[in-house]
Amino acid sequence: AQSVTQPDIHITVSEGASLELRCNYSYGATPYLFWYVQSPGQGLQLLLKYFSGDTLVQGIKGFEAEFKRSQSSFNLRKPSVHWSDAAEYFCAVGAGDSNYQLIWGAGTKLIIKP
Amino acid sequence: NAGVMQNPRHLVRRRGQEARLRCSPVKGHSHVYWYRQLPEEGLKFMVYLQKENIIDESGMPKERFSAEFPKEGPSILRIQQVVRGDSAAYFCASSPDRAYQPQHFGDGTRLSIL
Repeated sequence: AQSVTQPDIHITVSEGASLELRCNYSYGATPYLFWYVQSPGQGLQLLLKYFSGDTLVQGIKGFEAEFKRSQSSFNLRKPSVHWSDAAEYFCAVGAGDSNYQLIWGAGTKLIIKP
Repeated sequence: NAGVMQNPRHLVRRRGQEARLRCSPVKGHSHVYWYRQLPEEGLKFMVYLQKENIIDESGMPKERFSAEFPKEGPSILRIQQVVRGDSAAYFCASSPDRAYQPQHFGDGTRLSIL
């Protein structure tokens, strides 16, 4: 069965420091890959997506992610975080015939230290 | 263009009551998906509907839960005889066709059961 693992429940980063959030998935072929951000009490905003092609994808708000097939990973990165980046980040996968049925990681809560 | 509209944003019910959650998809989108987010967890797929048809309800509890997407009007997720464990955020997403990604998400309905 397909699954998505975000191994870090919480991550604390100083403002201005770099960030990497990890995401590993389980699926035999290349899935559709997404990162969403959710601010408290809010809905989900798409940061970036990977379908095919260049394995390094650029998203909004200065985020990027790299698809590594050999590691089944799709880690999210930002070179310098801002206090407004504090939120919860979700990795999601759509795969196979039921690719509409997105499979979600449990999320990583990002805390920014001043 | 309006995005996915969900209402109410917050809903409080007592145990045993019925909860009705509404979702108006992006204009022109005829495919609707419902997801549930329990506290401290990622989203879980519940059901996929097209106009007047349930396509995939594999993620929906067999009892008390039902969903519809009528020819006219919003999609409705109905929970009968609510229990404490139904407390969650319920998100709706829409797309113009089943393969289209990414899905567009609403801001969710936070359901609290007293």
